[in-house]
Amino acid sequence: GNSVTQMEGPVTLSEEAFLTINCTYTATGYPSLFWYVQYPGEGLQLLLKATKADDKGSNKGFEATYRKETTSFHLEKGSVQVSDSAVYFCALSDSNYQLIWGAGTKLIIKP
Amino acid sequence: DGGITQSPKYLFRKEGQNVTLSCEQNLNHDAMYWYRQDPGQGLRLIYYSQIVNDFQKGDIAEGYSVSREKKESFPLTVTSAQKNPTAFYLCASSMDRTNGNEQFFGPGTRLTVL
Repeated sequence: GNSVTQMEGPVTLSEEAFLTINCTYTATGYPSLFWYVQYPGEGLQLLLKATKADDKGSNKGFEATYRKETTSFHLEKGSVQVSDSAVYFCALSDSNYQLIWGAGTKLIIKP
Repeated sequence: DGGITQSPKYLFRKEGQNVTLSCEQNLNHDAMYWYRQDPGQGLRLIYYSQIVNDFQKGDIAEGYSVSREKKESFPLTVTSAQKNPTAFYLCASSMDRTNGNEQFFGPGTRLTVL
């Protein structure tokens, strides 16, 4: 069946460091891919998405490219800030239009 | 402002009691969802509804019930049959069933069983 695998956290970085959070998926067909962010005690917010192979989603300095050949959708940011500390979820939209979720990766940015 | 509201933000329940969590959206979305999130865990789907007066069980529906009498509202009842209901509950909605259509989330309700 469809599944999403994210790198385990927590990921701890210093401010202005480069960020990569890995996400790989297993799916039939051509799913859409998403990154959501959850700040402490809040609901989830869509960060970016990509709907077809080679698409790049971007928002707030974050980027992710839909790589069908490696079934990956890694999240990157060139220079993180303390305010980026949150939990990041990778997800795919399956043929039944449900979202299949990764387990989440907690990101901690130290000043 | 368009969005999804959930109430209450915090809810305490005694064992053996049913409790209902509210979810309302004014986005004119067809589909609505309920998820459960446990500490340090991902999201698990409880129920979803793609149209008024219709809903489907998700992965962990046992001990929960829902209704969808209005497009804007999708309340979740946590019954006494749910063995471990303490968790963070998230409601979401999406425009329709098209692939690539993202879900929008409410702020969540934190339920604690005393």
